[in-house]
Amino acid sequence: NAGVTQTPKFQVLKTGQSMTLQCAQDMNHNSMYWYRQDPGMGLRLIYYSASEGTTDKGEVPNGYNVSRLNKREFSLRLESAAPSQTSVYFCASSLENYGYTFGSGTRLTVV
Amino acid sequence: DAKTTQPNSMESNEEEPVHLPCNHSTISGTDYIHWYRQLPSQGPEYVIHGLTSNVNNRMASLAIAEDRKSSTLILHRATLRDAAVYYCILRDTSGSRLTFGEGTQLTVNP
Repeated sequence: NAGVTQTPKFQVLKTGQSMTLQCAQDMNHNSMYWYRQDPGMGLRLIYYSASEGTTDKGEVPNGYNVSRLNKREFSLRLESAAPSQTSVYFCASSLENYGYTFGSGTRLTVV
Repeated sequence: DAKTTQPNSMESNEEEPVHLPCNHSTISGTDYIHWYRQLPSQGPEYVIHGLTSNVNNRMASLAIAEDRKSSTLILHRATLRDAAVYYCILRDTSGSRLTFGEGTQLTVNP
């Protein structure tokens, strides 16, 4: 099993550009999540989707939008990238009351 | 969300046991105790979780205090590959999302 797959792995954007980070899981998990991790810090939740068709804001949602395309896929969109959004982005999925499975991350630099 | 407290860093020697503590004095009766670890340049990895009883799996053991206000993650024989940041997180039985703190940076010396 591939688990959680994130694309791209690396990206450099100019301020004001837009992009979509893709995430797909093949474990039939109901819930999916997007986190960001700044250097030397723990992960902070951006958005999550408890089930197909639902999305909710996390701790730091400003500047982001999400789409739960189907049960497998959960995308994160930056409409107008800012240098403060330079970070490593992790997607995760889970079943209720079980552990999360994380992807390997997308390293985004906004210049 | 109930908060956990962990030491910022710990050191161990290779092939020795490691006991990583976590305090969670405000834990509620419906909170599970989860442990994750994050190796350098990787996403977090699930290690173990428990509610009241001690738990064992192939990666580690989780010892939970009788009053549930603290727990300890036990790595029975540390290897260099166990060097990582270890996160102790509370998650209630409704399956709420995980909130990460700063964790404990474990250094394993050869």
